[in-house]
Amino acid sequence: DAGVTQSPTHLIKTRGQQVTLRCSPKSGHDTVSWYQQALGQGPQFIFQYYEEEERQRGNFPDRFSGHQYPNYSSELNVNALLLGDSALYLCASSWISDAAKNIQYFGAGTRLSVL
Amino acid sequence: DAKTTQPPSMDCAEGRAANLPCNHSTISGNEYVYWYRQIHSQGPQYIIHGLKNNETNEMASLIITEDRKSSTLILPHATLRDTAVYYCIVRALPSGSARQLTFGSGTQLTVLP
Repeated sequence: DAGVTQSPTHLIKTRGQQVTLRCSPKSGHDTVSWYQQALGQGPQFIFQYYEEEERQRGNFPDRFSGHQYPNYSSELNVNALLLGDSALYLCASSWISDAAKNIQYFGAGTRLSVL
Repeated sequence: DAKTTQPPSMDCAEGRAANLPCNHSTISGNEYVYWYRQIHSQGPQYIIHGLKNNETNEMASLIITEDRKSSTLILPHATLRDTAVYYCIVRALPSGSARQLTFGSGTQLTVLP
């Protein structure tokens, strides 16, 4: 049973560029959340997708957007990259019917470096 | 969500029990205590959660004080692979989809050989 998979594992971009990160949730999961983790800090919630709609959003600017596909996979898009966007981006999946446990399963992340 | 306070770092000898404390003095009656850990270069991993009773699973035990203002995660026989950052998170059960997790800085546990 494959867990949460993210691609690519590493990415280097320059300021002002746009980037797309991808996530495939754990089998049977229908909800995907994205987190940003700066070096030495805990992950910070960006947003969550369920039924192809953004359901919750953290304190991140509109440059951060996302999408969820019918197969539950998800993308995180970041426009007009800033140096401060350099971080580990984590995807987490969960199952709506299991929401009472509030347990999320994380991928290994995508390391984004903005130069 | 209630705020949590954890020591920034702890050491533990391999084979001994690791006891990781967490203070959550402002916890509400409907909020659960969750523990996740993050091994270097990996995503966070769920360990255990509880409301007021002590909980145990194959990974760890969770001891919550009677007033629920603090808790302790216990790894009964720590191994080198338990070296990680441990996060204590307080969260109410979600209505609808799973709610966001609010991570603090966590405790860096280093298991020494």
